[in-house]
Amino acid sequence: DQQVKQNSPSLSVQEGRISILNCDYTNSMFDYFLWYKKYPAEGPTFLISISSIKDKNEDGRFTVFLNKSAKHLSLHIVPSQPGDSAVYFCALLPGPGAGSYQLTFGKGTKLSVIP
Amino acid sequence: GAVVSQHPSWVICKSGTSVKIECRSLDFQATTMFWYRQFPKQSLMLMATSNEGSKATYEQGVEKDKFLINHASLTLSTLTVTSAHPEDSSFYICSARVGTSGPTDTQYFGPGTRLTVL
Repeated sequence: DQQVKQNSPSLSVQEGRISILNCDYTNSMFDYFLWYKKYPAEGPTFLISISSIKDKNEDGRFTVFLNKSAKHLSLHIVPSQPGDSAVYFCALLPGPGAGSYQLTFGKGTKLSVIP
Repeated sequence: GAVVSQHPSWVICKSGTSVKIECRSLDFQATTMFWYRQFPKQSLMLMATSNEGSKATYEQGVEKDKFLINHASLTLSTLTVTSAHPEDSSFYICSARVGTSGPTDTQYFGPGTRLTVL
């Protein structure tokens, strides 16, 4: 059973508009949430993260929102640029009580930003 | 940022042979290295966690005798797929973590190794 779901396998957005990528999870043990960006034939690179004590974290064009009660997080990219075209994974970490710091990944959403 | 390399980037082998994949942290010492596998259109699945000088911890369903992990130093971990079969064909990615204090310790990912078993 998938604990982390990215229900949109792909998303196309016009350059300059907002891209919104969504991630839902089922287990309340997750305490720290990360977004990774991945280009073809490359490993994921860390983009932005948020801890469960916050509901928003912003870094330049990237903002991550967390709704703990809904077990939902989202990544907003604005304005979107063609170089943002990649696969975006959300990855979740359990809290300290779980005894491990192992990432659980979603399946990814392929973002295409159209010039 | 920190760099993690993997070698080879792509390997094709015959069924029944063994393949070794190297993961190196180039400019930092990694206390922990992770090995992931990604099938097409699937998420990255953690296979095992290894700490330098100790035995790897394998995730449920991952055969430790088939996927041998050696973490001989703070900058090198190897994954050996023994007696590879076509169903082992996948994209294998390693990551390295610097600290041990918790979730804020960033994992740096290697570029991945695509294994094709004929």
